[in-house]
Amino acid sequence: NAGVTQTPKFQVLKTGQSMTLQCAQDMNHNSMYWYRQDPGMGLRLIYYSASEGTTDKGEVPNGYNVSRLNKREFSLRLESAAPSQTSVYFCASSDVNEQFFGPGTRLTVL
Amino acid sequence: GDSVTQMEGPVTLSEEAFLTINCTYTATGYPSLFWYVQYPGEGLQLLLKATKADDKGSNKGFEATYRKETTSFHLEKGSVQVSDSAVYFCALSNTGGFKTIFGAGTRLFVKA
Repeated sequence: NAGVTQTPKFQVLKTGQSMTLQCAQDMNHNSMYWYRQDPGMGLRLIYYSASEGTTDKGEVPNGYNVSRLNKREFSLRLESAAPSQTSVYFCASSDVNEQFFGPGTRLTVL
Repeated sequence: GDSVTQMEGPVTLSEEAFLTINCTYTATGYPSLFWYVQYPGEGLQLLLKATKADDKGSNKGFEATYRKETTSFHLEKGSVQVSDSAVYFCALSNTGGFKTIFGAGTRLFVKA
């Protein structure tokens, strides 16, 4: 089992560029999440998907879009990147007991 | 709304010292409580959890007791090791693993 995988691991963008962060899980979980982690602010939920075909906004959705492509995959898109979106992004999935996290994507927007 | 407050770090200890990281919560209902750990360069992973009042979660020498009367879930370890250096997150959920609310995290440094 690979668990939760994310690509890419690192990315540098210029302001205004777009990109998509990919996430996949092989644990047959219904629920998936995107978080961002910033120093001193813990984890903040961007979007989540309770099940295939549904997505909902979290705490900090502005500037992001998501797609739940199928049960395995949940992507996060930045349409026009801004320096404030410099962060570490984590994808997670959950069962009834706990959340499982990917290794993260470190994104820098110049 | 529901929230988690944990002590600010960093916490710096010598090897074999006793560790306490305080965590208090505000929640409706009877949430499950968790401690997650994040080692350098990795994602979070579950360390331990407790699902009802007075339950004690334990793993790898760490333990925490669900105290409803004080709304607390403090993390303790009797003798820390250098390999315990990481960031520790207290968390709660009213729906099992779904939509978990995380604290800000506490960074622990353990010196040899």
